[in-house]
Formats: sequence, C-alpha cells, structure tokens
Amino acid sequence: AQKVTQAQTEISVVEKEDVTLDCVYETRDTTYYLFWYKQPPSGELVFLIRRNSFDEQNEISGRYSWNFQKSTSSFNFTITASQVVDSAVYFCALSQGGSEKLVFGKGTKLTVNP
Amino acid sequence: DTGVSQDPRHKITKRGQNVTFRCDPISEHNRLYWYRQTLGQGPEFLTYFQNEAQLEKSRLLSDRFSAERPKGSFSTLEIQRTEQGDSAMYLCASSFSEGISGANVLTFGAGSRLTVL
Repeated sequence: AQKVTQAQTEISVVEKEDVTLDCVYETRDTTYYLFWYKQPPSGELVFLIRRNSFDEQNEISGRYSWNFQKSTSSFNFTITASQVVDSAVYFCALSQGGSEKLVFGKGTKLTVNP
Repeated sequence: DTGVSQDPRHKITKRGQNVTFRCDPISEHNRLYWYRQTLGQGPEFLTYFQNEAQLEKSRLLSDRFSAERPKGSFSTLEIQRTEQGDSAMYLCASSFSEGISGANVLTFGAGSRLTVL
C-alpha cells in the first residue's frame, strides 16, 4: 500500500529563515514518482516538482531545494530565506507506475511572519 | 487559456438532495481527474478520465457518486442523496498524458466547496 507522511502539521518561521518540510513515503513498487504541491490561501494546488524513483539527484530551483533519499524513503523540501509569500499548505504526494492515482500527505501549513 | 474552471465554487444543500459539479479542463489536456479534500487533509483521489473513457475509480466513489466526460472535454460529478459526510472541497485537475503512467503533472482548479446541512 502507498502512504505519505508529513509529520509537521504546522510550522511558523520569521521571514528570511530557512525551513525544511519533511516527507516520508511508503511503497512496495520500484517505479514511482514523488511530487510537491503548494496550496496558497486562494486554494488552487500548484505543482512545484516531480521526481522519479530512479533519479536521486537533489534539485535546486531558486530558493527551493529538494532532497530525495531512497535509503530513508524521504523527499524533503527546503525553502531558503523564506518570504511571506511562501505562506501556504505544502503537500507531498506519491504515485506508482501503473496508476494515475496520487496519494497525498496531510500537508504542512507554513506561516512566514514578517 | 484560463486554466481549469470549476462551477459552482460553493454549494449548500440539504441532506438527501442531488448536486452536480462541472469541470472545464485546459483545452489541450486529454486527462481529467476528480479529487476530494476535507478540512486539514490532503486531496483524495476519486476518479480519472482519458478523453471520454473513465479508466480508474477509487473505492471512495460510492454508488451515489457518478462522473462523466461525455465528449472528452468538460466533466460532471454528480452526488445523489447527499449525506453530511459528503461535505468537502471537490477538486478537478487536468493533465496532458506524457505516456508514462503515474508521471503526469496535474493542473488543479480552485475547487467546488460542498456543504450538506
């Protein structure tokens, strides 16, 4: 069975702090995809990144970076120098090869205070 | 293109009534998905279509729920005999199939919020 755990329910930081959002996943498949989506207060989920299970390279995009470690089944997301606009709920999600179903974690609500 | 559109944005209904939600995907996208999100939870998969064919359904989609995509463009999600437990945000998403199962990046709509009294 697939499962995604985001243990941090809420995180509050002050602007310019770095923050890491944790994601741990479970799957029995060797082929799978991991995603991060952002849900701002407006409500629409916005895609941030996709990784496949065969590519463990870390990725950096501006202030965002992702650390994928198969050994610990984790796909953590770091925001460097956080900004107020980063305030949102962030979801980690998993899909297995052969299915279009995305399994989401419960999300981490990030509040960045000025 | 204005993205994925959902209508209505909010619906309040009494228990036992039927409700229907509409989703208009991005026009170039051949896949359309329905998810349900309750407060404090992540979205839960309900079903998806490739063109007009409904290819995958969740066990969450009870016999009171039916989804259609008659011409491979817009989709409707109908809930019959609503129950209070159906209160949730119903999210529609679309994607263009990359031919690799499970890899599709979804574009979500703003959702239709259902409140069952």
